[in-house]
Amino acid sequence: QSVLAQPPSVSEAPGQRVTISCSGSRSNIGNNAVNWYQLFPGKAPKLVIYYDDLLPSGVSDRFSGSKSGTSASLAISGLQSEDEADYYCEAWDGDLNGPVFGGGTKLTVL
Amino acid sequence: QVQLQASGPGLVKPSQTLSLTCTVSGGSMSSGTFYWSWIRQPAGKGLEWIGRIYTSGRTNYNASLESRVTISVDTSKEQFSLKMTPVTAADTALYYCARGYSGFDHDAFDIWGQGTMVTVSS
Repeated sequence: QSVLAQPPSVSEAPGQRVTISCSGSRSNIGNNAVNWYQLFPGKAPKLVIYYDDLLPSGVSDRFSGSKSGTSASLAISGLQSEDEADYYCEAWDGDLNGPVFGGGTKLTVL
Repeated sequence: QVQLQASGPGLVKPSQTLSLTCTVSGGSMSSGTFYWSWIRQPAGKGLEWIGRIYTSGRTNYNASLESRVTISVDTSKEQFSLKMTPVTAADTALYYCARGYSGFDHDAFDIWGQGTMVTVSS
């Protein structure tokens, strides 16, 4: 059972926009920055959003992040087949004194 | 650019010690204000932070694993290591090493290795 809650899967057609939610509590998302990672099998995970809504250098601006209260979201617009991957949210948890992750969301581009 | 590569035995017997090493290339571990972490992912499950080490040697561990885990660093070899003992089948997972940083009011893992699979089985 992961500390942060994500939907197990989402799907959308190419060219469309999809959002992935991440729900937490005051001890993590409510008081700390949220980061998002993209995982492909057999490859190194990649940071795609940091500090709630900032884009790392080299990441497509089709990716965006937002946060409100104890929930955060990752949005991907103009979906492409190459976006099909697993996405994880992460935030520091002040009660656990360490970073916590969501259970991951598998994005399928139909 | 900085790259991380985890390595170690892919099979460990129950009750024994899991030992992994992460080699950092393309940059010095000691430059910048970074820390070095281990994160794992059991099959079909989410990511779990194991712990971190600074080049000063200061460590922090996931409280649920702290009694079984030791992370060490050897900056002369540009490596940091994970030891976990005793292991059980529940420790079977894909183990990642990652670089973390502390920015203004936030932390993140900005560089990850590919991960190395460890199976605990007799």
